[in-house]
Amino acid sequence: GDKVKQSPSALSLQEGTNSALRCNFSIAATTVQWFLQNPRGSLINLFYLVPGTKENGRLKSAFDSKESYSTLHIRDAQLEDSGTYFCAAEATNTGGLSGKLTFGEGTQVTVIS
Amino acid sequence: EAAVTQSPRNKVAVTGGKVTLSCNQTNNHNNMYWYRQDTGHGLRLIHYSYGAGSTEKGDIPDGYKASRPSQENFSLILELATPSQTSVYFCASGDDRGQSQDTQYFGPGTRLLVL
Repeated sequence: GDKVKQSPSALSLQEGTNSALRCNFSIAATTVQWFLQNPRGSLINLFYLVPGTKENGRLKSAFDSKESYSTLHIRDAQLEDSGTYFCAAEATNTGGLSGKLTFGEGTQVTVIS
Repeated sequence: EAAVTQSPRNKVAVTGGKVTLSCNQTNNHNNMYWYRQDTGHGLRLIHYSYGAGSTEKGDIPDGYKASRPSQENFSLILELATPSQTSVYFCASGDDRGQSQDTQYFGPGTRLLVL
């Protein structure tokens, strides 16, 4: 099943507007990472989150481990924000070693002028 | 910032042939990962490694082997390539943060076409 479910699957944004992307987890996520895959295909790390919030410029992300979700807010969208946004969750395994990242299927964002 | 490079960037292989994808990272990270990306599936973990000499099976290891001969290098090996292995392959590296993983840094990807 979908251990990491992203919504929406695609989004079209007018330049200058705001929007929110969401990830819901059916695994016991301990940390969350958000990535942007730009139109050239490169994967860029945006945020690493333990439960709480982080902000970087026009992007803000939150992770609530108790309610099993994470959000990524885009403020004042710009053309260069276009791409596919992935969230990935880690669930630490019982052996105490670092867990693996499980990725969602992505949200394709298109910013239009 | 971590530098992760992959070679080749593009590869055409024949069914039944052997393919080796190479990954190199220069930031002395302990952990390295191989993913494949297909439309509708996001990124799926094939193999990963905690350090030189270690390899672990990821979520979809069948048909793939991995090798970590050194801290810097991590290879993905397709002994008998099949058309279903046509995909874009990404390598990533990262360190531990306590008992969790730290930020992962990705290479540019390798496009593999198996005919």
